[in-house]
Amino acid sequence: DVKVTQSSRYLVKRTGEKVFLECVQDMDHENMFWYRQDPGLGLRLIYFSYDVKMKEKGDIPEGYSVSREKKERFSLILESASTNQTSMYLCASTRMGNTEAFFGQGTRLTVV
Amino acid sequence: GQQVMQIPQYQHVQEGEDFTTYCNSSTTLSNIQWYKQRPGGHPVFLIQLVKSGEVKKQKRLTFQFGEAKKNSSLHITATQTTDVGTYFCAGPASGTYKYIFGTGTRLKVLA
Repeated sequence: DVKVTQSSRYLVKRTGEKVFLECVQDMDHENMFWYRQDPGLGLRLIYFSYDVKMKEKGDIPEGYSVSREKKERFSLILESASTNQTSMYLCASTRMGNTEAFFGQGTRLTVV
Repeated sequence: GQQVMQIPQYQHVQEGEDFTTYCNSSTTLSNIQWYKQRPGGHPVFLIQLVKSGEVKKQKRLTFQFGEAKKNSSLHITATQTTDVGTYFCAGPASGTYKYIFGTGTRLKVLA
């Protein structure tokens, strides 16, 4: 059974903290993605990676960075968390090419 | 930039009624995918359409890709309470493997 696993289901952090969200996939997929989901806005792409150490900005990269040191792991970093980054964060992975995306269970981050 | 819009944003139906959500892209798409997200869950892949004018069926669900490959629809016949959730379409950004997701249609089915 294919799996995309996010490190936390729920997270509460303080404004200004550095936050790490981890995502691991066991399908040997080349592509990995980070989205945030907010009511009425759908899923918005933050960053994606098509290979180890490669990354590209999505539509809303401001305030975020990413790291992909190993093929199976893709980390999202909030350098200095702010309250407007309170959201549901979803990680996804796909094989190379236009194939179906497999999502993790999501991390609901609250910044207070 | 490329945008993918869905209408309606919300839909409440009585169990047994039909439901349709529409997806419109600002640019031509090479293919389109549909996902379902149950309340409290994560998006799960339903189907991918590739050809212009393509129609695919999964039991009570009918998916259509427009002739111009800029729009798509999902139609559910005789909704059931198990159909509750948010339905997203997603299309690839030009020349990349990244998918742009639509804004989603949240379906509520009243028993």
